[in-house]
Amino acid sequence: AQSVTQPDIHITVSEGASLELRCNYSYGATPYLFWYVQSPGQGLQLLLKYFSGDTLVQGIKGFEAEFKRSQSSFNLRKPSVHWSDAAEYFCAVGARGAQKLVFGQGTRLTINP
Amino acid sequence: IAGITQAPTSQILAAGRRMTLRCTQDMRHNAMYWYRQDLGLGLRLIHYSNTAGTTGKGEVPDGYSVSRANTDDFPLTLASAVPSQTSVYFCASRRDSNTDTQYFGPGTRLTVL
Repeated sequence: AQSVTQPDIHITVSEGASLELRCNYSYGATPYLFWYVQSPGQGLQLLLKYFSGDTLVQGIKGFEAEFKRSQSSFNLRKPSVHWSDAAEYFCAVGARGAQKLVFGQGTRLTINP
Repeated sequence: IAGITQAPTSQILAAGRRMTLRCTQDMRHNAMYWYRQDLGLGLRLIHYSNTAGTTGKGEVPDGYSVSRANTDDFPLTLASAVPSQTSVYFCASRRDSNTDTQYFGPGTRLTVL
């Protein structure tokens, strides 16, 4: 069965520090991978996606993610976080023609000033 | 601004009452989805529609129904609400069922007492 695991429920980092959010997936077909961000009281906004090609993908707001097939991972990174990055982050996996995305449980990011 | 609108923003409902959550998109997307978001569980698909006139069940469809009379609207109905349906509900859409970027509405927070 398809599944997505985000091992870290809550992460706290200082403003200006680097960030890495982990995502591991289990998916039978070639996966399409996504990271979404959800600010408090808001809907989900797409940060970036991987369909094929270069395994390092760039997204909005200075985020990037690297697809590592051998590790079944798609970790999200940012070199220097800003207070406005405080939010919940969701990793999701899908496939061409699949009816749904499978979401991880989410990682809540808190930024210390 | 093009996108997805949901109504109401929030609602408190007595158990046993009927409730319809509204979702409208103006992007002319063929596929639409309803998810519920619960703490620690991420997002789970309730129902989906690949095109106007068709619907399908997701992973947690019990107690919910949908209709898709036209491209733009995809209402979700709770025929007789129960407290376990307390959740945040998100509507999403994508251009068609073979493209994999889903766009999300702002959500409806529903409390069933």
